[in-house]
Formats: sequence, C-alpha cells, structure tokens
Amino acid sequence: DIVMTQSPDSLAVSLGERATINCKSSQSVLRRDNKNYLAWYQVKPGQPPKLLIYWASTRHSGVPDRFSGSGSGTYFTLTISSLRVEDAAVYYCQQYNATPFTFGPGTKIDVK
Amino acid sequence: EVELVQSGGGLVQPGGSLRLSCAASGFPFSTYWMTWVRQTPEKGLEWVATLNEDGNERHYVGSAKGRFTVSRDNADNSLYLQMNSLRVEDTAVYYCAKHVGAVGATCFDSWGQGSLVTVSS
Repeated sequence: DIVMTQSPDSLAVSLGERATINCKSSQSVLRRDNKNYLAWYQVKPGQPPKLLIYWASTRHSGVPDRFSGSGSGTYFTLTISSLRVEDAAVYYCQQYNATPFTFGPGTKIDVK
Repeated sequence: EVELVQSGGGLVQPGGSLRLSCAASGFPFSTYWMTWVRQTPEKGLEWVATLNEDGNERHYVGSAKGRFTVSRDNADNSLYLQMNSLRVEDTAVYYCAKHVGAVGATCFDSWGQGSLVTVSS
C-alpha cells in the first residue's frame, strides 16, 4: 500500500499570509503518462470534502486561484497564497495511482 | 448540476448489516467510476470501495473485503454499499463520490452529503 504523510499536522497562519502544506508518498505516483496521480481536498466540519487540486497541480473548477499545487513523484505541496478566513479547514492529500487509494492524515489550518 | 443524494445509515449492533444508497443526477452516471469514502475524527478520510462504470470491476480496502459489497444500478442511476458483519471500528460518516472525468479511476470531484453509520451494542 502507498502510505501518505503530511506535514505539519497543523498550522496557524495570519490573514493574507501564505500557507504551505507538504505531502509525501511512500512510492512514486507519477505514471508513464507523465501525470502525478495526486489530489488535494479541503474538509470543513459537517461538510463533505471538496476537491481542490488533481493531477498534483490542476485546479478544480471553481477553486480560487490562491490555491495551487506542485511537486512530482513522491513530494508534493499545496500552497494557499493569501489566506482568507474561509480557508480554515483540514486539508488532505490523496493518491489515486493504485488501490487502495490512500489519504494523508490531514493538516489543520487555523486563521490567526 | 451534479447531485449525489445518500440514504441509509443509522445505528446497528456489531455483527449486523446495513445498506447505503446514493442516488445520482446531473451527469451520465453509467459512464463514471464511483467510490465510497468514510470519515472518522480519529482516522480522517479513508477510501472504502470503488466500482467501475459497468459494475464488473470492484476494489476494496482490506478491512472491507469479504464484508462489504459495492454495486450499482445504471438504469436507476444509483450506487449502493452493502455492509455485513459490521464492527465497532466501521463507525463513521460514509460518503459516496463521483470520479473526475469518464476516464476510469481518478480522484473524486462530487460528494454526497454523508451518512452516519454507528456500530454499537
């Protein structure tokens, strides 16, 4: 199974500042089609997860451009360029390169 | 507009059974892979099962193999999760989710509202 790890576990960021979350997979999720099978989700209490980024760096429809994803192979990053109050949530990375599809443990972002 | 409306869930004793349903609309259901994911405060998000577009390819997380069955009725635009031999550790909010693009197994871009399953005596 591909194990996903995230860092940090949580962080508090001031309004308007940058937030960066790291995600590492135990095996490469880059396939021969040159796509990284890696997604990022945002989860708020009482709500279903919301897809933010897929193929490691493609922003999902309707997602603000302050959210961006980068990385390849086994190391990935989600960046929120200018944090807003509504960005307070838990963020998960997920690999869909191979079953069992696995999620990271989540990173909680608080807005200072 | 894509919509996934879940039903089922509830309180069940250990060893019992439960069936979750997910009614889909707003997209050509029969051409998309579908998935079940569960969420707990302790473990976060956990993928449970995935089914291909015509229902003949199934994948399960290890703890669900032999106990859970994912199925679909493309004529009725519905996805199901039959859960048998339920354990306390199956307690979670279960979500059905649609895969991105009609191109096989990808990540999940639309989610149901969630169904709470509580396994307790």
